[in-house]
Amino acid sequence: DAGVIQSPRHEVTEMGQEVTLRCKPISGHNSLFWYRQTMMRGLELLIYFNNNVPIDDSGMPEDRFSAKMPNASFSTLKIQPSEPRDSAVYFCASSRGGLEETQYFGPGTRLLVL
Amino acid sequence: QQQVKQSPQSLIVQKGGISIINCAYENTAFDYFPWYQQFPGKGPALLIAIRPDVSEKKEGRFTISFNKSAKQFSLHIMDSQPGDSATYFCAARGGGGNKLTFGTGTQLKVEL
Repeated sequence: DAGVIQSPRHEVTEMGQEVTLRCKPISGHNSLFWYRQTMMRGLELLIYFNNNVPIDDSGMPEDRFSAKMPNASFSTLKIQPSEPRDSAVYFCASSRGGLEETQYFGPGTRLLVL
Repeated sequence: QQQVKQSPQSLIVQKGGISIINCAYENTAFDYFPWYQQFPGKGPALLIAIRPDVSEKKEGRFTISFNKSAKQFSLHIMDSQPGDSATYFCAARGGGGNKLTFGTGTQLKVEL
């Protein structure tokens, strides 16, 4: 299995621009998670989906952030407009759901907003 | 109440020594406690996990000790090796669903 796939791996953008991060979960996994990692705040859960439905988005910082999962094999996290404080590594993770709790993380997208 | 407190923030251990990382939680609804290992430039990966009905779990050189009454759990790395140098996160799941709450991480360095 290819594991969780994220793109792009690196993104540099200017403040005010729209940023779209993409994730392909492991095939057969029913749960998908978006995390943000920074030195100051550590690893934070932004949102997670079960069977393509958003279950908990309480970690989404503000309305500038949105996430979608149109089908079982694809999810996006969008930031519009981006700000320098959004600079972080964004991870996508997936799990089988149910009794299987192991979350498999992707390699992350390193975002720098200038 | 959803926080998981982790210490120390960083740790330096000599090769062959024991590395110990501690975590504490408040939410008694937590029912699953994994540890994740993260190497630079990589995503976290599950290392070992425990449920609260067990006081200890061992996998190779890695052991989780769990104290339900104290609401604390710890990771012990025996015979620490330079290849163990990484950041370690404890986490806890609870309150329904499979959402994990992560500790703040411990940066471990194992010196020769």
